[in-house]
Amino acid sequence: GQQLNQSPQSMFIQEGEDVSMNCTSSSIFNTWLWYKQDPGEGPVLLIALYKAGELTSNGRLTAQFGITRKDSFLNISASIPSDVGIYFCAGQGDNDMRFGAGTRLTVKP
Amino acid sequence: NAGVTQTPKFQVLKTGQSMTLQCAQDMNHEYMSWYRQDPGMGLRLIHYSVGAGITDQGEVPNGYNVSRSTTEDFPLRLLSAAPSQTSVYFCASSYHPGAGQYFGPGTRLTVT
Repeated sequence: GQQLNQSPQSMFIQEGEDVSMNCTSSSIFNTWLWYKQDPGEGPVLLIALYKAGELTSNGRLTAQFGITRKDSFLNISASIPSDVGIYFCAGQGDNDMRFGAGTRLTVKP
Repeated sequence: NAGVTQTPKFQVLKTGQSMTLQCAQDMNHEYMSWYRQDPGMGLRLIHYSVGAGITDQGEVPNGYNVSRSTTEDFPLRLLSAAPSQTSVYFCASSYHPGAGQYFGPGTRLTVT
């Protein structure tokens, strides 16, 4: 099946630091998406990537769709306390969406 | 727009009981899906639908049924609840399968 490996599992950083997380797969995906989930809520879409090599920004967030279509990364610059949460990557295959296990981000003020 | 709504928010079932988790969206999205979220495992796709009258199985469909009689509603039925189905269930919708999805607030289900 199409499995996604997301790393790191967790990160503890100081406010103001930059953050980087990534997802890799042995399978090709047509779309890569990044979501953030706050406690007790559903995931919220941060960035969607539709083309291999695409680099997209959303405020302090930047994500890239790997050229091989098997990986993607998400960068957060100048982290702030409200960045705390779990970040998920997701890859869209032929018909279904697969999610990574998540990166839990803690930001210390 | 209410977005994606789910009911109930919490539910406790005994083994063998059946129940239906409700999901509705008011964005006229064709694509709807159900996921379960377990600790350390991300979200796993249970069933999905690309439009009214069309459903298909995802990664973990066993023990669950779905139907899609209208564009707005996509209920998930547990036929005979088992402790392994204790999880948080999320419904999601989007314009098409590859688009970013809008998620509901989730239903936390415990099966004893």
